[in-house]
Amino acid sequence: NAGVTQTPKFQVLKTGQSMTLQCAQDMNHEYMSWYRQDPGMGLRLIHYSVGAGITDQGEVPNGYNVSRSTTEDFPLRLLSAAPSQTSVYFCASSKASGSIDEQFFGPGTRLTVL
Amino acid sequence: GQSLEQPSEVTAVEGAIVQINCTYQTSGFYGLSWYQQHDGGAPTFLSYNGLDGLEETGRFSSFLSRSDSYGYLLLQELQMKDSASYFCAPTSNTGKLIFGQGTTLQVKP
Repeated sequence: NAGVTQTPKFQVLKTGQSMTLQCAQDMNHEYMSWYRQDPGMGLRLIHYSVGAGITDQGEVPNGYNVSRSTTEDFPLRLLSAAPSQTSVYFCASSKASGSIDEQFFGPGTRLTVL
Repeated sequence: GQSLEQPSEVTAVEGAIVQINCTYQTSGFYGLSWYQQHDGGAPTFLSYNGLDGLEETGRFSSFLSRSDSYGYLLLQELQMKDSASYFCAPTSNTGKLIFGQGTTLQVKP
């Protein structure tokens, strides 16, 4: 099993550009989520999904869109990048709804918006 | 609503014991998870408490008191490799997993 994979590892964008961060898991996990982590800070939940076709907002959803058309994939779209979105983005997955199951994290995508 | 509090930094020496506290206010609370994150790495799961009391996993133990909305992570026989950030994360019936700001543990020789 590859676990949770994220691409790209690094990305530099200009203000106003759009892009999609990819996340995939091969563990047949129902629950997937996206977090952002700013320097010296904790992880803030952006969006999450409890299963294919179901998504919901986290703590900081503005400026981001998600979709969950398959169990395996949970892409995060930045609609119009802003410097405030410079951060490290982590995707995570777990078997169930994130309540008692271990969350498995991907290696992260380091995004810089100029 | 939700709130979480952890100390921002803790320093201890190799071989010592350190306790990292976490207080929370979480609607629909299920239990409390703990994660470790080394610099530049991804968070990794350490433990979960669904019931009151102590859970032990090797050198690490975690405690929960639902009535006090309080938990802690206890690290024994500290090693240099334990220098990392530690996050408590209350889980709830909303399905969201919200993390605290994290506690940076520095282990000194």
